[in-house]
Amino acid sequence: QKEVEQDPGPLSVPEGAIVSLNCTYSNSAFQYFMWYRQYSRKGPELLMYTYSSGNKEDGRFTAQVDKSSKYISLFIRDSQPSDSATYLCAMIIPNTGNQFYFGTGTSLTVIP
Amino acid sequence: ETGVTQTPRHLVMGMTNKKSLKCEQHLGHNAMYWYKQSAKKPLELMFVYSLEERVENNSVPSRFSPECPNSSHLFLHLHTLQPEDSALYLCASSQDLPGRGWGNQPQHFGDGTRLSIL
Repeated sequence: QKEVEQDPGPLSVPEGAIVSLNCTYSNSAFQYFMWYRQYSRKGPELLMYTYSSGNKEDGRFTAQVDKSSKYISLFIRDSQPSDSATYLCAMIIPNTGNQFYFGTGTSLTVIP
Repeated sequence: ETGVTQTPRHLVMGMTNKKSLKCEQHLGHNAMYWYKQSAKKPLELMFVYSLEERVENNSVPSRFSPECPNSSHLFLHLHTLQPEDSALYLCASSQDLPGRGWGNQPQHFGDGTRLSIL
């Protein structure tokens, strides 16, 4: 079983829609969670960084962590064509090891 | 501008060539990483350095050779590559390793080198 599972999509939505992107994980020791956005021909760009459970909002983006269900989400409100990209989740087990754990990424297209 | 700069952005090489990828971070971070990103596959961690010391080598073939002369620079030396090595090679940095100090801070990535092996 993979440490982090993420549906690769692709996901297509009309402009203005609310988008929900999700990751599940198997290890309850994960405490820090990140979402990255990766445009074609570019590197992953950090979007959101959260600790433990709860919600964090930044503009049109909301990151949600449910540690009891081992489930994290990224919501995008009023989606724009410029949001078309691949979104990767990542997480860390604190004070342990040398690596970050990544999902495979979800490809999103927002249609004008 | 992410604070992590990779050169070159694109590289085409034959299987017998020797080339090097360069990464420089301007963030004052202590940890640096090399990843391989192939289509439809998750990021593959290749090498991890902390304060110029290699701490992880994930069963990477010896045709890939990393070098970290100081905490701001990271190189990946390539020789006798195979067609399946064609991919996007990403460099990342973080304040510390997850197991140390400020290691719970996120990674920051460069824009990668798109490598094509003929």
